[in-house]
Amino acid sequence: AQSVTQPDIHITVSEGASLELRCNYSYGATPYLFWYVQSPGQGLQLLLKYFSGDTLVQGIKGFEAEFKRSQSSFNLRKPSVHWSDAAEYFCAVGVRGGADGLTFGKGTHLIIQP
Amino acid sequence: DTAVSQTPKYLVTQMGNDKSIKCEQNLGHDTMYWYKQDSKKFLKIMFSYNNKELIINETVPNRFSPKSPDKAHLNLHINSLELGDSAVYFCASSQDLSGTQYFGPGTRLLVL
Repeated sequence: AQSVTQPDIHITVSEGASLELRCNYSYGATPYLFWYVQSPGQGLQLLLKYFSGDTLVQGIKGFEAEFKRSQSSFNLRKPSVHWSDAAEYFCAVGVRGGADGLTFGKGTHLIIQP
Repeated sequence: DTAVSQTPKYLVTQMGNDKSIKCEQNLGHDTMYWYKQDSKKFLKIMFSYNNKELIINETVPNRFSPKSPDKAHLNLHINSLELGDSAVYFCASSQDLSGTQYFGPGTRLLVL
């Protein structure tokens, strides 16, 4: 079965600074990979996804992520964070044709300092 | 228009009651899901429903039953509610089992 690890429970970043959120997955084949964001009291919004092809994917709100097969990682990055980026970020892995739904990491809580 | 909608947004009820949460998607998707988010924000799949086939996560108690009247709806019925059922329940849909999943806004259930 697949699994996802987000090693950082909380991350604090100053507004305007760069951001990298880590995600490692465990799966035997090439997975589908996703990053979702959840603002307080809100639902999950898709930031970006990787299915195949170019390993650097661009998403909404200026986010990007890079799939590195050799490291089983799919880290999320943003060059300059804004206060509105404060939220919970979830990495998830899906299986082609799998009926098991997405497997989520435990989330990283992003705090933005003024 | 909201792509995936859920009602109600909040649900407060007593232990032992039976309740339902409704989910509708207007994306024309073939597959729908229910997820549970616990108090530590951990998300876990409960059910997936694709072409009238229901896939159940074996850890979900049989007090939970999804019902799909048509392709655009997947409702969640919960019998004999327990304190531990308090959580946020998210509905999601995708084009097929391999597609990107789009989530509803969630239903916050509190069992007293």
